[in-house]
Amino acid sequence: EIVLTQSPVTLSLSPGERATLSCRASQSVSSNYLGWHQQKPGQAPRLLIYGASSRAPGIPDRFSGSGSGTDFTLTISRLEPEDFAVYYCHRYGSSHTFGQGTKLEI
Amino acid sequence: QVHLVQSGSELKKPGASVKVSCKASGYIFTTYAINWVRQAPGQGPEWMGWISTNTGNPTYAQGFTGRFVFSLDTSVNTAYLEISSLKAEDTAVYYCARVPEYSGGGPIFGYWGQGTLVTVSS
Repeated sequence: EIVLTQSPVTLSLSPGERATLSCRASQSVSSNYLGWHQQKPGQAPRLLIYGASSRAPGIPDRFSGSGSGTDFTLTISRLEPEDFAVYYCHRYGSSHTFGQGTKLEI
Repeated sequence: QVHLVQSGSELKKPGASVKVSCKASGYIFTTYAINWVRQAPGQGPEWMGWISTNTGNPTYAQGFTGRFVFSLDTSVNTAYLEISSLKAEDTAVYYCARVPEYSGGGPIFGYWGQGTLVTVSS
């Protein structure tokens, strides 16, 4: 089973700054089936990125995904107050695994 | 517009059973599978498996066999998760989820139910 390791566990930044979140897989992710979800307290996850770099409909262009193989990155170019949340990477396919999350805090 | 609406929170005693529902609307129910995801307090999501809404055939992820049952009632566009012999460690939020139309073939979860909190406590 592929294990996803996210870093850092917590990222402390201010609005307007750039955030870089990392997700490393224990094995190569086929077909770049890697996505990113945002989760706020008491809410369901919300899909941001699929296929490593494609934004889901309605997601602002300050969110971007990159990477391939075993190393993937979610970048938020200029943080807005509503972006402070937990972010999970998600390897999908015939089975699914999630990272343990990065908490983005002010 | 696609909606997945789940049943409300449950408080159960150890050894009891619980049945969580996920009612779909806004699309033809039998065209997309329903996945189930568990999220224990303070933890990341964990995939439990999926059920084909076309055939009713369930597939369970490792660690979710035996006490976990996925089922359907296609007459009311609803999927169910039943957990028997509940344990304290089953305390979690349970989500149903569906692949979006735009995923390009990969089964990412683009639609999520709002979640159902199941608390197991004596």
